[in-house]
Amino acid sequence: DAGVTQSPTHLIKTRGQQVTLRCSPKSGHDTVSWYQQALGQGPQFIFQYYEEEERQRGNFPDRFSGHQFPNYSSELNVNALLLGDSALYLCAAASWGGPDTQYFGPGTRLTVL
Amino acid sequence: GIQVEQSPPDLILQEGANSTLRCNFSDSVNNLQWFHQNPWGQLINLFYIPSGTKQNGRLSATTVATERYSLLYISSSQTTDSGVYFCAVESGSNDYKLSFGAGTTVTVRA
Repeated sequence: DAGVTQSPTHLIKTRGQQVTLRCSPKSGHDTVSWYQQALGQGPQFIFQYYEEEERQRGNFPDRFSGHQFPNYSSELNVNALLLGDSALYLCAAASWGGPDTQYFGPGTRLTVL
Repeated sequence: GIQVEQSPPDLILQEGANSTLRCNFSDSVNNLQWFHQNPWGQLINLFYIPSGTKQNGRLSATTVATERYSLLYISSSQTTDSGVYFCAVESGSNDYKLSFGAGTTVTVRA
């Protein structure tokens, strides 16, 4: 059990809307990364948060933004949704300075109509 | 960025058969993990193996870092082994950013 939780499980939105996804790492994990997995592909790195700051960012537009809270939980926000944003969004947690092993949550499946 | 290639893309096995999945990567890595993604999308950690060999039950993995490849072995496959297997690598120094391959879809038939 990776101990990483995500909410909601599924979400349906329409083009142009905004969405917020949430992730809670298990105790001891202070680094949260977000990934987008389109159907039939491997996950793609969106960005990473540590100490409430964005540390790294993948090749995603500014419509994708995030936040990390003092309890290490994190949110992913996507504005002006496009059909192409339909995907499984995965959150991964790790302990900064600790083992490189990352643990993934169950994901949020977003459908944009 | 680092390139990760997995082969084969698809694998169909009869229950009880053995198989080998391969992961090639284009640069030196600090971290290599194998994951199994179940039908509900959950990525399950199988191995953290930047180098060397590890075994866990019917699964084992070997990474030859100097030659930039890793192998995942499945022995005596079961229907529950079906799913997509991903190799993911981290090339930066402890940056916790994983680059994934496209995966190998394994189907085990009873």
